[in-house]
Amino acid sequence: EDQVTQSPEALRLQEGESSSLNCSYTVSGLRGLFWYRQDPGKGPEFLFTLYSAGEEKEKERLKATLTKKESFLHITAPKPEDSATYLCAVRRDSSASKIIFGSGTRLSIRP
Amino acid sequence: DSGVTQTPKHLITATGQRVTLRCSPRSGDLSVYWYQQSLDQGLQFLIQYYNGEERAKGNILERFSAQQFPDLHSELNLSSLELGDSALYFCASSESGTSGKHYEQYFGPGTRLTVT
Repeated sequence: EDQVTQSPEALRLQEGESSSLNCSYTVSGLRGLFWYRQDPGKGPEFLFTLYSAGEEKEKERLKATLTKKESFLHITAPKPEDSATYLCAVRRDSSASKIIFGSGTRLSIRP
Repeated sequence: DSGVTQTPKHLITATGQRVTLRCSPRSGDLSVYWYQQSLDQGLQFLIQYYNGEERAKGNILERFSAQQFPDLHSELNLSSLELGDSALYFCASSESGTSGKHYEQYFGPGTRLTVT
């Protein structure tokens, strides 16, 4: 069965303390892996798309990487405004609609 | 701001009632997706429309239906509402065409539905 698992469920960091969030997946025929940021009560905000193992994307303090089994979202020197839930999603065949979301990692950055 | 709009922001209604949620996609996007997000279920895909036609169905109940109009806005109809239908409902849209970006979905702010 296709699955997307994110870990940890919650992560509390001190401002400036770098860390990584994990998204592991078991899908047949990965066609893309997406990272989103979601603030409480708001819609997910698109961050990155990764298509092939070895690919990396960066945006400000965030860097996403992809292997054949998992993706990491590295956050470098985070600030309190980076606090949010980070969602990972995978597209598993040629249909854009067949996207499976993970349950997310709730990231909290203390000043 | 993603460019996707949803109305209303909040909706409070009673069990057994029917409601309609509205979504306008980003300018130029032909695909619209509906999702339900509850505390215990995470983000669940409900249904997708592409240029007025149903493209795919996910975990959508028979009491729920949707449509996409010629101007590309979409409506999600929820009927015979139950307490368990209380959730955030999101609409998303994506580009159309052969570029890889037509798999990137942009979400609206959501409609919070409370069934009492």
